[in-house]
Amino acid sequence: KNEVEQSPQNLTAQEGEFITINCSYSVGISALHWLQQHPGGGIVSLFMLSSGKKKHGRLIATINIQEKHSSLHITASHPRDSAVYICAVNGGGADGLTFGKGTHLIIQP
Amino acid sequence: ETGVTQTPRHLVMGMTNKKSLKCEQHLGHNAMYWYKQSAKKPLELMFVYNFKEQTENNSVPSRFSPECPNSSHLFLHLHTLQPEDSALYLCASSQESDTQYFGPGTRLTVL
Repeated sequence: KNEVEQSPQNLTAQEGEFITINCSYSVGISALHWLQQHPGGGIVSLFMLSSGKKKHGRLIATINIQEKHSSLHITASHPRDSAVYICAVNGGGADGLTFGKGTHLIIQP
Repeated sequence: ETGVTQTPRHLVMGMTNKKSLKCEQHLGHNAMYWYKQSAKKPLELMFVYNFKEQTENNSVPSRFSPECPNSSHLFLHLHTLQPEDSALYLCASSQESDTQYFGPGTRLTVL
């Protein structure tokens, strides 16, 4: 069973700061997902990665398969980025995901 | 709006009740999932259906009974639940191993 660890668990930052959230996993995977969950529960998929780096707007996700590690970066952070960010992995095919505990991010104006 | 809907959004039930959660996806996906999110715990997988066939049951107690009549609909039938089953129940769908799209969830409270 894959163990997914995220850090930090909680992060408070000022608007405009560069944010980094880290994720590590214990067993080889077919893909890693970064998800965003707002208060109220809805989850949105931000990225799905199997190698390298992806960018979408102010969000950047990277993965190092050899080191079993991924990072999510937010540039020019904004209060609307406040949410829980969750790392999840799957082993292949239409497998269910294994999740980290999430990082609770608060961006203060 | 992710293309995945769940009803009801909130449900309160007693331990002797029988209720069902419904999920519908309008994305043409072939895989559907039930996840559970309890307070202070990570999301955890419950069931996976691929082309209407159950492909994964993550050691879920039999008081939770899934049903997938077609690739667009997924149900979770609940009976004789315990208070510790109170949680947010999330449905998701995907095309094969591609990105999963989540519904808004059903917030379940068992009294």
